[in-house]
Amino acid sequence: TQLLEQSPQFLSIQEGENLTVYCNSSSVFSSLQWYRQEPGEGPVLLVTVVTGGEVKKLKRLTFQFGDARKDSSLHITAAQPGDTGLYLCAGRKDSNYQLIWGAGTKLIIKP
Amino acid sequence: ETGVTQSPTHLIKTRGQQVTLRCSSQSGHNTVSWYQQALGQGPQFIFQYYREEENGRGNFPPRFSGLQFPNYSSELNVNALELDDSALYLCASSLRLANSPLHFGNGTRLTVT
Repeated sequence: TQLLEQSPQFLSIQEGENLTVYCNSSSVFSSLQWYRQEPGEGPVLLVTVVTGGEVKKLKRLTFQFGDARKDSSLHITAAQPGDTGLYLCAGRKDSNYQLIWGAGTKLIIKP
Repeated sequence: ETGVTQSPTHLIKTRGQQVTLRCSSQSGHNTVSWYQQALGQGPQFIFQYYREEENGRGNFPPRFSGLQFPNYSSELNVNALELDDSALYLCASSLRLANSPLHFGNGTRLTVT
């Protein structure tokens, strides 16, 4: 059972389009992180959100943590080929420090 | 600063054999975690080491074992390899603080035939 469900699993769009990917759970997380992983490399941290309703921006990427801290979204504006990769969300519960990972959204931006 | 390095990058083993994967932590980091990532999936937590002791374990059998050394480098050992063990094995180092980001190496691609 996947505690963190990511959707869509796969997304292929044209350069310049906007997109949103989601990370959902029935559980509450004390914090949630988003990572991007490129082929042949390990995941790289993009952002950490800790407060319900929090919104963080990283250039063209906007991250939001749900009010109830059960879900999160990543919105990309004017996607570029360099945004191509596997986007992973990972959450921590209060009880321990271990991260629980989603299965990822594979994003392809076509030039 | 030196990032996380893993060796080897690729490895092919036969079912039933044993394998040791190695990881050097980023300088200043005292915690190391190991993950298994199957193709098209997210990482699955294997275990974490802090101060040379196992500090949390995921749903993996005892044939998956590890070590952390005084310099915080680490090894992952897998005995009696099975075909389903074929995956990318990722090592991540961090500080032992809440919300401390994980710094990943580029992984070891293990193929079991």
